[in-house]
Parts: sequence; C-alpha cells; structure tokens
Amino acid sequence: EAAVTQSPRSKVAVTGGKVTLSCHQTNNHDYMYWYRQDTGHGLRLIHYSYVADSTEKGDIPDGYKASRPSQENFSLILELASLSQTAVYFCASSDWGENTLYFGAGTRLSVL
Amino acid sequence: QQQVRQSPQSLTVWEGETAILNCSYEDSTFDYFPWYWQFPRESPALLIAIRPVSNKKEDGRFTIFFNKREKKLSLHITDSQPGDSATYFCAASSSSGSWQLIFGSGTQLTVMP
Repeated sequence: EAAVTQSPRSKVAVTGGKVTLSCHQTNNHDYMYWYRQDTGHGLRLIHYSYVADSTEKGDIPDGYKASRPSQENFSLILELASLSQTAVYFCASSDWGENTLYFGAGTRLSVL
Repeated sequence: QQQVRQSPQSLTVWEGETAILNCSYEDSTFDYFPWYWQFPRESPALLIAIRPVSNKKEDGRFTIFFNKREKKLSLHITDSQPGDSATYFCAASSSSGSWQLIFGSGTQLTVMP
C-alpha cells in the first residue's frame, strides 16, 4: 500500500564503491526528490526531478547523480562512495502545484 | 547559510503542558510554511501548514502562529501527550522561486508522562 517505496532499506558500502538507491512511487506525482538526513542538519535536498528523463540539482548535489527513467522511478547514484556520505536517505514525491511531500521509509547507508 | 532556523534543538515538557517550538526564516519571498513531524525510525510526514494570508492556523491541539513582520512562526502544542514525542521540522518555500521546500534542523520534543 506504501505509495513511495525505497530499496534497499539499509546498505553497507565500501569507500570508493558505487551505490545505487532506488525509489518507486505509485502516487502518479510529477515531482520526485532525494533528501539526505544527518543528525543536527534536518533534511537537505540532493536532487529532484519534475519530469521523466530530466533531473535538477538541489542544495547539496556534489558526489551524487540522479536518474529519472520514468515518472514512477527515481534513483540516486553514488559513483565513488565516501565516508561523509554515511546518512539516511529519503525519497519523496509531490504533485505539481501541491507542495506536500510524501516520503518513503528511508535508506540507511553506511560507508566504511 | 541557514535559511530556516529552529529553536530549541530539544525540548522536554510534562504531559498536559503546552509545548512551543520556534522557527524563523531569512527569505521574505517565502509564502508557504509546513511543519513536518518525524517519529523515531520513521519518515517525516506533514503535520500542519500555513500560508501568510493568515497569521494563525489551528488543527486540534496544534496551532501555528505566524508573524510576517518579524519573519517568525511558532508551533504550539496544547495538552501535550507522550505520543507527541517526535522531531518537528519547520520548512518554507516560495511560489515565486523554485518552490522547493527548505527544512530547518528540527526540534526534538519529549513529552514526559
């Protein structure tokens, strides 16, 4: 029933390795987002997309790439994972003109 | 540069008391201010939101007070319950800009029984 589904729910990666986080939404929303959450920093926007095959940089895009192959799917790619990218990552979706975000359950990433 | 600031970082109140969470912002073009709450090990969810056409928004025990001149708002939780214990995020966006939400760093509220 969950409208925004993230996978995996948790992941341990090695420094320098490639990590792909996936997000799937069934809300039929145009907008999708990737946020990073660190203790004391709230939620920070990494990348977002408002249409398939197009992505936009958020506030902290360095070290991350995003891919939106379809309206339903939005991926976050860490080409060379670093220790500083250890965090919880949330995917969210929203409808055009409606600023309410619907979050997925989150992915806990540990880079060792 | 933090565009949305929250205080205090953490707050503890007794059951039945009123909890007051504060938020301030920099950008005068911000015109939408939602509050999200997040329970431990869960994802954030919208709690209540206000647009500056009004200086008050009420939903049950939760009330937002908005002061446009001072660029401040606050969330009041009356008759606080242990189940209200969560982290509360103030956020803001501008319909004249990219209208992406900018979040504050959150206030962790603990309600003691």
